[in-house]
Order: sequence, then C-alpha cells, then structure tokens
Amino acid sequence: LAKTTQPISMDSYEGQEVNITCSHNNIATNDYITWYQQFPSQGPRFIIQGYKTKVTNEVASLFIPADRKSSTLSLPRVSLSDTAVYYCLVGDQGGKLIFGQGTELSVKP
Amino acid sequence: EPEVTQTPSHQVTQMGQEVILRCVPISNHLYFYWYRQILGQKVEFLVSFYNNEISEKSEIFDDQFSVERPDGSNFTLKIRSTKLEDSAMYFCASSTRGAGANVLTFGAGSRLTVL
Repeated sequence: LAKTTQPISMDSYEGQEVNITCSHNNIATNDYITWYQQFPSQGPRFIIQGYKTKVTNEVASLFIPADRKSSTLSLPRVSLSDTAVYYCLVGDQGGKLIFGQGTELSVKP
Repeated sequence: EPEVTQTPSHQVTQMGQEVILRCVPISNHLYFYWYRQILGQKVEFLVSFYNNEISEKSEIFDDQFSVERPDGSNFTLKIRSTKLEDSAMYFCASSTRGAGANVLTFGAGSRLTVL
C-alpha cells in the first residue's frame, strides 16, 4: 500500500511559484500520481496526473523523477484564490485510493 | 461539465439513528467511492464499489456501514446506528476506471452532524 508524505503547510506570496513535494517510496509499477485541490467545505478537485517525467496543463506542472519515489506539484504565479489544501494521491492496485495528509498552502498578498 | 451530486447537503441526527446519504455519480462512470473528512483532518477512504459489489473497504467501514446502488443511478451510504464520532463530511466520488490512471470526480459532500 503506497503511503504519501507531504509538508503540513506552506506559505507563499501572490505572483510566486510554489512547489509542493510528495514522497511515495512504495509506489507500485502501475500506479499513477494524482494531485487534488480542496477548498474548505468542498470536495477535492482534480488538478493534474502523471506517471513519469513531466506533465503540464493549464493550471500546474507535475515533475516525477525516474525512480518515481517522489513528485513535485508546481503552481506558477499563485494568487490568493490558490489558498487551499493540496493532496497527493497514489493509486493502489487494489482500488483503495489513499490521500496523504495534505499540504495547506496559504497565499498572502 | 458532468458532476457528482450529493444529498442532503447537511443532516443533523440523534445518536443511534440510521442515516442514508445519497449520491448520483456521473452517468458513464463505473467505479464509485465514499470518503469522509472529519473537521480539520484529512480525507479518509471508506469504500470503493464496482459491478454491484464492494471492491475495497477501510477499517473505518465496519458493520455499521453499508453501500448500495439500488436503481442503477443512485449510490447510497447507510450508517445503521450513528455515533458521535461519525460526525464528518462525507464525499461521494466516481470514476471511469479502477486503480492506476484513476481520476476521481468528487461531489460537494454531505455534512453529517450526530448529536
């Protein structure tokens, strides 16, 4: 069962790039890495998913090293509205998808 | 954009009462999940459901919990005899495939308050 570890919290300022790293030492060969964003009292929302190397979409980039034991979510030029909890999720082949403890990102003006 | 719909948005119940939380997953999704989140804590996996049966469940999902897909569209979570510690936000999610390259779409949640 893959377990993830993330920093509990991070602070940033508007306009900065934010990088959040997740460790998943026991990731399985067929697992993908998925990041979700959650605002208070809302369900998690999909941000980005990758298997290896780098993936980029309109909101974020995901960097995955060759050994896949970690991944880094990169948010370019954050704004106040990016203040949220970010979860790293690693797929378990048995279907039990476990969230990490999440990183609470606080963006300040 | 397709969405997962959950009802009720908030339910208050007395300890020992039965509660049913309802979810309408996205129509072409085949995998269904319930998660819960106690206030201030992380999102916890409860159960996954595929092909009309439970595929995985966590230690939290004991005999007091059950899930059902009664009519091909709804997906319900039943708590038979609620306890104070069942107070939480319950999220339903659905996806088009199982583990691996799996992207879950979550509902807005049902807040359960047990008094």
